[in-house]
Amino acid sequence: DAGVTQSPTHLIKTRGQHVTLRCSPISGHKSVSWYQQVLGQGPQFIFQYYEKEERGRGNFPDRFSARQFPNYSSELNVNALLLGDSALYLCASSHGEVEPQHFGDGTRLSIL
Amino acid sequence: GEDVEQSLFLSVREGDSSVINCTYTDSSSTYLYWYKQEPGAGLQLLTYIFSNMDMKQDQRLTVLLNKKDKHLSLRIADTQTGDSAIYFCAESKKGTGRRALTFGSGTRLQVQP
Repeated sequence: DAGVTQSPTHLIKTRGQHVTLRCSPISGHKSVSWYQQVLGQGPQFIFQYYEKEERGRGNFPDRFSARQFPNYSSELNVNALLLGDSALYLCASSHGEVEPQHFGDGTRLSIL
Repeated sequence: GEDVEQSLFLSVREGDSSVINCTYTDSSSTYLYWYKQEPGAGLQLLTYIFSNMDMKQDQRLTVLLNKKDKHLSLRIADTQTGDSAIYFCAESKKGTGRRALTFGSGTRLQVQP
């Protein structure tokens, strides 16, 4: 079975631009979460969606938004990009309320 | 994440046991996890333990949980060079979403041949 898939794998943007990152969960998983991992640190929680509803939000500015589609895939949008947004963006999926999260390989976003 | 702390680096010889330690602060944590990250890759779920358990063993991996001290450890038996990676401890907290994870900064495990 396919794991969590994310696209694109790498992305280069300039300050002020907008970016959309995509995630497809493991088949049958209904929850998707997004994390930001800055170099040398652990991942930081951004958003959690379950059954297409936002169920949690981390300490990130309103420039960050996300949504989940009827097929449970998800998009993370970041507006007005800053240099500090350069990071690995990880998507994770889980089946139900208490199952562990399984991560994709991430999208590496570089801001110039 | 400042709520979960790990030592930064551990070096062991191939064939020895590795013990990676983690402390957390939230007594309401429901699950505690260990993830492995190799260079350029995402996070691989290694194992997890529910907060009402003391120990869990899965092949070469043993997780010990001391709730009184809020201490979690991961023991890797017969460590191999392929175990070289960064290991993250994580906890799931109530109040920030049922499945939101808080990670430590990771422990880099170096296995010497």
